[in-house]
Amino acid sequence: DAMVIQNPRYQVTQFGKPVTLSCSQTLNHNVMYWYQQKSSQAPKLLFHYYDKDFNNEADTPDNFQSRRPNTSFCFLDIRSPGLGDTAMYLCATSQGQGANGYTFGSGTRLTVV
Amino acid sequence: RKEVEQDPGPFNVPEGATVAFNCTYSNSASQSFFWYRQDCRKEPKLLMSVYSSGNEDGRFTAQLNRASQYISLLIRDSKLSDSATYLCVVIPVYGQNFVFGPGTRLSVLP
Repeated sequence: DAMVIQNPRYQVTQFGKPVTLSCSQTLNHNVMYWYQQKSSQAPKLLFHYYDKDFNNEADTPDNFQSRRPNTSFCFLDIRSPGLGDTAMYLCATSQGQGANGYTFGSGTRLTVV
Repeated sequence: RKEVEQDPGPFNVPEGATVAFNCTYSNSASQSFFWYRQDCRKEPKLLMSVYSSGNEDGRFTAQLNRASQYISLLIRDSKLSDSATYLCVVIPVYGQNFVFGPGTRLSVLP
C-alpha cells in the first residue's frame, strides 16, 4: 500500500547530541511536511518542501534543519537537541496544496535526556 | 483570536450516545476544511473532508456554515472505538498550509 513511513518509531538521544529522523513516501506526493507535536497540543508545522523549494516557518528554531534529497525522502536534523525538543515528530505529505488532505506517517517519538 | 478554535472538551459519553463537536475559524476566506482523528500516541488520520453542502459517512456527519464560520462533526451511536482526539483542520487561504485546531478529546464509556 502507498504510505508514509517514518524511522525510527522511538528515539532517545542525549542533550546536545545531533539526531536525524527520516521519512519516506510511496505516494509520489510533491509536498512533504515536518510537524512537531507535544503532549496534549496540536501539531505545529516546522517546515515543508514544495517540490525542491524549502519553506521554513518563522518561529522554527535554527536548531532544526531539513533535507529532501529526492521526491521520496525527507530528513529532519536536530543539531543540538534540548530537553524541550522531546515530542512526537510527524512527517506528512500532500499533492499540491492539500485540497484532498495530508497523509501522515506514524511519527517518531523523540525523547531527549 | 486564534485561527481555529474547538470545543475544549473532554467529552465523556456513554456508548450509543450522539455527540457533536464544533469548530470555529477566523478567516472568512478559508478554503478547505477537514476533520482528523488522532488516537493516543498515534498519527492524525483523515476522518472526512467537509463540503459546503455537508456530507455524511456512516455514523459521521460534517456540516459547514460559512456565514457563521464554523464546522461541526456529529457522531451518532457512539462506539468505544470512537474514543480519540478530533482535530479540526482548515486551509485558510489557497496556497497556505493546514492550520490545526487544538483538538477535542472524546471518551466513549461502556
